[in-house]
Amino acid sequence: GAGVSQSPSNKVTEKGKDVELRCDPISGHTALYWYRQSLGQGLEFLIYFQGNSAPDKSGLPSDRFSAERTGGSVSTLTIQRTQQEDSAVYLCASSKRALEGSGGELFFGEGSRLTVL
Amino acid sequence: AQSVTQLGSHVSVSEGALVLLRCNYSSSVPPYLFWYVQYPNQGLQLLLKYTTGATLVKGINGFEAEFKKSETSFHLTKPSAHMSDAAEYFCAVSYSGGYQKVTFGTGTKLQVIP
Repeated sequence: GAGVSQSPSNKVTEKGKDVELRCDPISGHTALYWYRQSLGQGLEFLIYFQGNSAPDKSGLPSDRFSAERTGGSVSTLTIQRTQQEDSAVYLCASSKRALEGSGGELFFGEGSRLTVL
Repeated sequence: AQSVTQLGSHVSVSEGALVLLRCNYSSSVPPYLFWYVQYPNQGLQLLLKYTTGATLVKGINGFEAEFKKSETSFHLTKPSAHMSDAAEYFCAVSYSGGYQKVTFGTGTKLQVIP
């Protein structure tokens, strides 16, 4: 597709279960971001992938959170032993590198809404 | 390190009135600045951006923003609010280095009163 695709769009899980959220970025975009948007909060940065560089994991809130990006394309965000405070909308975005003239514009997916009961 | 501060988590304006959403940034290098909009139950989309050149930038739906280096500001304005402008607006900063992590503000919800 032409845009950033995320799945599932909605996920309800029980406390303590593991969840995986998937992001398929725009073809050719080398940068991929995960953000979390909680009710009443702004966009919380989680992790950033840029090409073959080591990812910036500085925003991951705990070691229960991890993400990988395979083949420089699809990314999976994994949350282990989910807690109720993990309930949020998880947004994925992709972009070209700034040096390629896009100015770092991000293209967002529709998000994955996670509800932990 | 870079950061963005949006003043006012909620702003209400009457239909037809001026919209002014405030954004101040902190960056140790020349910034790239963005405004994104999120309509209810939708994803974020780019409203406008400043990278280099003209400091007054125009975006979609009649919005514009002016980069003021001396004030480290990038406020968003629209002369006349429409009901359809009701949304959440996010200011963001990046920079022109090779690693250009984008940092967002906490967002401002705009309510338009008929």
